[in-house]
Amino acid sequence: AQSVAQPEDQVNVAEGNPLTVKCTYSVSGNPYLFWYVQYPNRGLQFLLKYITGDNLVKGSYGFEAEFNKSQTSFHLKKPSALVSDSALYFCAVRDGNYGQNFVFGPGTRLSVLP
Amino acid sequence: DGGITQSPKYLFRKEGQNVTLSCEQNLNHDAMYWYRQDPGQGLRLIYYSQIVNDFQKGDIAEGYSVSREKKESFPLTVTSAQKNPTAFYLCASRGGPREPQHFGDGTRLSIL
Repeated sequence: AQSVAQPEDQVNVAEGNPLTVKCTYSVSGNPYLFWYVQYPNRGLQFLLKYITGDNLVKGSYGFEAEFNKSQTSFHLKKPSALVSDSALYFCAVRDGNYGQNFVFGPGTRLSVLP
Repeated sequence: DGGITQSPKYLFRKEGQNVTLSCEQNLNHDAMYWYRQDPGQGLRLIYYSQIVNDFQKGDIAEGYSVSREKKESFPLTVTSAQKNPTAFYLCASRGGPREPQHFGDGTRLSIL
């Protein structure tokens, strides 16, 4: 069975500082990993994905994520946070070998303070 | 522009009433999904469809029904059997097997 954990409900960071939003996962086969962002009363917007290849993945709006197979983690990072990055962030996993469906983590609320 | 359109944005249900949420996509995607989002929780899968005229139950299908008569459309009916329907409902579609899901902007359902 697939599962995703986002250990922090809330992350606070000052504008201009680096940010990290954590995600760990469990799948039987090859992990397909995704990060999404959600603004209030909106749908989820895709940020980036890891399917195969380079462990460091770059995505939209300056975000990147590092795939770590041994730690089964896929943390989202950004070198310099903006106030406009404040939103709800979801990590999702899909089993590339066996799964048709995506499993989402519970979400992490990021607040960037001016 | 290609995308997913959900309507209405807000919907109110009376006791004993069935309501239908619309989801239309022009991305030419085969796979479509319905999720329920409650405060403080992640997305929970209600139903999904990999192809026209076929759909499968997700984790919380009880009290819901769907149809997939056209590739572009995947409506969700919230029946009177769903006793706690108040939530934010999200529709998504997906292209190839390595592609992410694309989401609509959701429908917020409340009880009158």
